[in-house]
Amino acid sequence: DAGVIQSPRHEVTEMGQEVTLRCKPISGHNSLFWYRQTMMRGLELLIYFNNNVPIDDSGMPEDRFSAKMPNASFSTLKIQPSEPRDSAVYFCASRRQGETGNTIYFGEGSWLTVV
Amino acid sequence: AQSVTQLDSQVPVFEEAPVELRCNYSSSVSVYLFWYVQYPNQGLQLLLKYLSGSTLVKGINGFEAEFNKSQTSFHLRKPSVHISDTAEYFCAVSYRNSGNTPLVFGKGTRLSVIA
Repeated sequence: DAGVIQSPRHEVTEMGQEVTLRCKPISGHNSLFWYRQTMMRGLELLIYFNNNVPIDDSGMPEDRFSAKMPNASFSTLKIQPSEPRDSAVYFCASRRQGETGNTIYFGEGSWLTVV
Repeated sequence: AQSVTQLDSQVPVFEEAPVELRCNYSSSVSVYLFWYVQYPNQGLQLLLKYLSGSTLVKGINGFEAEFNKSQTSFHLRKPSVHISDTAEYFCAVSYRNSGNTPLVFGKGTRLSVIA
């Protein structure tokens, strides 16, 4: 299996610009998660989907953040407009819903720097 | 609500010495427990997990962890570390019998192995 695929791996953008991060979950997995990792706050859950439906977006920090999952094999996390404090590593992860033990598999992350 | 406490943010240890990374969790219901490892500039990989049965769980790279229900702990151990074990280690918990909820992560412990 190819694993969770994220793009871009690295992005540097100017404050105010729109940023779109992309994720392809593992085939057959029907739960998808977006996490953000920073030195100060550690690993935070932003939003997760089950069967393409957003279940909990309480971790999304502000209205500037939005996430979509138009189909089972693709999700986006968008930041508009971006700010320097959004600089972080954004991880996408997926899981087969109902799998015993709920193992979540992570992508390699998208490293975002907003200047 | 679930929470995970990793008691040490950084653990330096000499090569070939034993190491223990501590993790305590709080939950009012039964849980599944996980340890993930993150090597520099990479995503998180599953190291091991406790679902049920034997309280001593063996994982990859010679690591093991012991589930202690009375102390609500799930400490990670390795009898002899290598330089290549230098990484960040995350403890995580999820509700038992739920395929729908995400993992709750601790803030991580940075293990530095010194030659």
